[in-house]
Amino acid sequence: NAGVTQTPKFQVLKTGQSMTLQCAQDMNHEYMSWYRQDPGMGLRLIHYSVGAGITDQGEVPNGYNVSRSTTEDFPLRLLSAAPSQTSVYFCASSRRTSGRNEQFFGPGTRLTVL
Amino acid sequence: AQTVTQSQPEMSVQEAETVTLSCTYDTSESNYYLFWYKQPPSRQMILVIRQEAYKQQNATENRFSVNFQKAAKSFSLKISDSQLGDTAMYFCALGVDSNYQLIWGAGTKLIIKP
Repeated sequence: NAGVTQTPKFQVLKTGQSMTLQCAQDMNHEYMSWYRQDPGMGLRLIHYSVGAGITDQGEVPNGYNVSRSTTEDFPLRLLSAAPSQTSVYFCASSRRTSGRNEQFFGPGTRLTVL
Repeated sequence: AQTVTQSQPEMSVQEAETVTLSCTYDTSESNYYLFWYKQPPSRQMILVIRQEAYKQQNATENRFSVNFQKAAKSFSLKISDSQLGDTAMYFCALGVDSNYQLIWGAGTKLIIKP
């Protein structure tokens, strides 16, 4: 049982480049989400999904796209990278679509945009 | 709207001492859940302890306990007999049944000194 996995662990991009951060979970969780973590700001929700084929925006969605074609996978796409997107990105999942449940986190991706 | 506030950006204590991290929150929901997550230098987010608002008894997990003051909307984390491995960022989070999202505090950096 791998839990939540994320790839890559580190990435450097140039302004304007696009890329996809991968996230997968093997716990059959309905809820998956992407956060970004910046110093002094805690975790901010980018996008989330409550099941395959269903996604919605979080607090800071601009510049990011998501899709959820399977229960297991929830990739995050950066359309045209900007220096403001330099951050650490976390994928998380939980068992049900409710705020009562523990969220399980991946190891994070440190992204630098030059 | 829900909010979570952690007023201590950084704290440090000597090994074996007891330390208390503060968290206040605001919500109009009658049923909600409070969490403390730990993020060590490895970046991995780990659930430390969870409290359900309808339970009067404070949650405990080994050396970790909470002081849940519902009327004051306060949810502090006490770490007893602190160890070097407790050095980490600690995040307080709030979840409600009516929303999938967790609301996060900005975090407290805890340093345990030998």
